[in-house]
Amino acid sequence: AQSVTQLGSHVSVSEGALVLLRCNYSSSVPPYLFWYVQYPNQGLQLLLKYTSAATLVKGINGFEAEFKKSETSFHLTKPSAHMSDAAEYFCAVSDDFGNEKLTFGTGTRLTIIP
Amino acid sequence: NAGVTQTPKFQVLKTGQSMTLQCAQDMNHEYMSWYRQDPGMGLRLIHYSVGAGITDQGEVPNGYNVSRSTTEDFPLRLLSAAPSQTSVYFCASGEERDEKLFFGSGTQLSVL
Repeated sequence: AQSVTQLGSHVSVSEGALVLLRCNYSSSVPPYLFWYVQYPNQGLQLLLKYTSAATLVKGINGFEAEFKKSETSFHLTKPSAHMSDAAEYFCAVSDDFGNEKLTFGTGTRLTIIP
Repeated sequence: NAGVTQTPKFQVLKTGQSMTLQCAQDMNHEYMSWYRQDPGMGLRLIHYSVGAGITDQGEVPNGYNVSRSTTEDFPLRLLSAAPSQTSVYFCASGEERDEKLFFGSGTQLSVL
């Protein structure tokens, strides 16, 4: 079964600093990878998704992620953190194109320091 | 366009009680699912449905029942609540053959 591992359950960065949230996948076949964001007291919403069209994927709110097969990674980055980025971020994987049955990681809570 | 609507937002049950968490979507999505979210464990899939009349089990189905009589509704039933079912429950829906899920705002359930 597909799985993802998120390193670091809590990450704190200063406002304006680089955001880096880590996700590694475990898959013997090309995976379909996603990042979702959960703001306080809300459901999750899709930030971006990788479906093999391009290794660098741009998402909403200035976030992007790079698929690196050699490192089995799909880390999420943003060049300059904003206070509104404070949320919990989940990496997820699907084992097939068009398969909505996603497996989520354990999440990383991002705190922005003023 | 309301999206995915979950009711209630909060619920407290006693051990052994039963209840139904409601989920409705107005986007005509064929796929619907239920997840539970627990600290340090992320979201885990309970049950899912790929269309009216079709349901299947996810990763943690024990203690939960579902049915899908219409495209719009996908209720989750707890037959005999246990403290281990204390969690935040999310309903999600998606278009056929599209991995993007739309989530409801969640139901916070406490079982005493």
